Amino acid sequence: DAKTTQPPSMDCAEGRAANLPCNHSTISGNEYVYWYRQIHSQGPQYIIHGLKNNETNEMASLIITEDRKSSTLILPHATLRDTAVYYCIVRAHNAGNNRKLIWGLGTSLAVNP
Amino acid sequence: DVKVTQSSRYLVKRTGEKVFLECVQDMDHENMFWYRQDPGLGLRLIYFSYDVKMKEKGDIPEGYSVSREKKERFSLILESASTNQTSMYLCASSFLTGMDNEQFFGPGTRLTVL
Repeated sequence: DAKTTQPPSMDCAEGRAANLPCNHSTISGNEYVYWYRQIHSQGPQYIIHGLKNNETNEMASLIITEDRKSSTLILPHATLRDTAVYYCIVRAHNAGNNRKLIWGLGTSLAVNP
Repeated sequence: DVKVTQSSRYLVKRTGEKVFLECVQDMDHENMFWYRQDPGLGLRLIYFSYDVKMKEKGDIPEGYSVSREKKERFSLILESASTNQTSMYLCASSFLTGMDNEQFFGPGTRLTVL
């Protein structure tokens, strides 16, 4: 699975959009981009994933560049409860291979009042 | 709602004790995982299981063993706890294959070995 690079920390004002970048320049054609977040003292929580098209769900939007070498997770109206560590992970959907996710250190997002 | 539960949120044990961490999921997931999380190191996979009685080593299996006798339950065993096993332990589960194969995590067990 490809490696990802994320900034260690970011700040965002409450009510504003939070844009979290991720570089995955060695991503291969069959690898998806996943985002998880971990709120303090809880287990990680799935947010969204995508292959090459932009994706949106009730939690966030995922924008993947055309060359797929980077992506951005967008929280459109950040709240204090969005303060968490956000992890960007790339992995393939190989048959029988829903096993290992390679976790980096993520981005610690602080949403400020 | 998917639920992954872990037997304890906090646990304090002494060096040399045998420690059992239990994890139960109610989604009929084939895969179950044990991670440990340490500051500056992120989540590291200890063991995973893709079926009852099946297991595979993750990245840091030394000092640990696992047991999966029933599909919904996955146990992590520290045969002889040591202070360097003080950590946050996270259990997760997922379907074996498929497009929406996200991992669902439990709340974690913070283990302190004295």
